[in-house]
Amino acid sequence: EVQLLESGGDLVQPGGSLRLSCAASGFTFSSYSMSWVRQAPGKGLEWVSVISGSGGSTYYGESVKGRFTISRDNSKNTLYLQMNSLRAEDTAVYYCAKIPFRGVIYFDSWGQGTLVTVSS
Amino acid sequence: QSALTQSASVSGSPGQAITISCTGTSSDAGSYKVVSWYQQYPGKAPKLMIFEGSKRPSGVSHRFSGSTSGNTASLTISGLQAEDEAEYYCCSYIISWSLDVVFGGGTKLTVL
Repeated sequence: EVQLLESGGDLVQPGGSLRLSCAASGFTFSSYSMSWVRQAPGKGLEWVSVISGSGGSTYYGESVKGRFTISRDNSKNTLYLQMNSLRAEDTAVYYCAKIPFRGVIYFDSWGQGTLVTVSS
Repeated sequence: QSALTQSASVSGSPGQAITISCTGTSSDAGSYKVVSWYQQYPGKAPKLMIFEGSKRPSGVSHRFSGSTSGNTASLTISGLQAEDEAEYYCCSYIISWSLDVVFGGGTKLTVL
């Protein structure tokens, strides 16, 4: 059974940094692209970033480009999201999600999410 | 700026069928790839209901079906049940020199 467990969410001041983790199990982690998707309180889903299985390719949404970095450690079956220069509008639940096939983008498994609050 | 537009809300009675639409507003209409659909209960993670426009993952009820016509994708739920009351999101993507993934704004389904 696929399991994705996010952690690292916290209260952080504007301009601060935070690193989220997503521990994966139940599948061959290195074979799959992974993604971060966020949801601001009371709002809809917003795509944040995607990383290929090898980690060699990364993509970002416009709102986080240049501030967030996605990475992965396939030896630890863990996905990361380094978030710098955080803004109030980054406040959201952050989900990690698995992409089932190369060349197509949809999300077949999701974690339970971790809450990031950016506030002074 | 590309976007996927969904109606904010839809409602239906138990046993009825409802359809949720997702319209692409990209200036490059047709450049976005096929749509996936997600169901989300309050406080819970989204769940994949339809992928590649019309395919159902294993375990998803046959009452859920997807279709596409032009730049509009649709999710139809037949035999509406109380447990179907949730938020539904469409999602699509474009791969050109980079990758852009976009979600619709979500549709709240109320079962009367």
